[in-house]
Amino acid sequence: SQQGEEDPQALSIQEGENATMNCSYKTSINNLQWYRQNSGRGLVHLILIRSNEREKHSGRLRVTLDTSKKSSSLLITASRAADTASYFCGTGANSKLTFGKGITLSVRP
Amino acid sequence: NAGVTQTPKFQVLKTGQSMTLQCAQDMNHEYMSWYRQDPGMGLRLIHYSVGAGITDQGEVPNGYNVSRSTTEDFPLRLLSAAPSQTSVYFCASSYTDGQNKAFFGQGTRLTVV
Repeated sequence: SQQGEEDPQALSIQEGENATMNCSYKTSINNLQWYRQNSGRGLVHLILIRSNEREKHSGRLRVTLDTSKKSSSLLITASRAADTASYFCGTGANSKLTFGKGITLSVRP
Repeated sequence: NAGVTQTPKFQVLKTGQSMTLQCAQDMNHEYMSWYRQDPGMGLRLIHYSVGAGITDQGEVPNGYNVSRSTTEDFPLRLLSAAPSQTSVYFCASSYTDGQNKAFFGQGTRLTVV
């Protein structure tokens, strides 16, 4: 069963635009993580936000968390072609994570 | 550091054959796990381990065995491969420091015919 559900399932934007991806989850969490997966590769950790945090930044990434709505959003600002990948939200602890089905982001040059 | 290393990268098996997917990490992580990724399904947890000698089942454990004799290695065994086990398999590891950041291998693409 998926704890997290991302939307949209696919997103296509122009280079330089911002990309916003959303994730909803079902049960209470201690933290929520976002990962990126390039085609044919493993997942790479992007950012983690704890349940007592509302917003977190890392470079061009901004993640928000609303525990009352059980939702999170990932914003990638000034997107680049290299941001083309699948993005997953994950909940759980350590290596025992539950992921959504992912969002496919395409950034057109 | 090599991180998390999975071998092989690709494998084709016949139905009923057995094989072991290898996973090794050189970061001295206590936690390790195996996931499978199927189209439209995201990643699902197969088995995980919180340390040498300790393993437990995840969401989809049927048809798979694991053992953890050392901190570094966490092999996944398919005892009798079935076409439903055609998937991409990922191994992951993480620290026990509460950071919860998981490091993933590059994956093994398995086809069972």
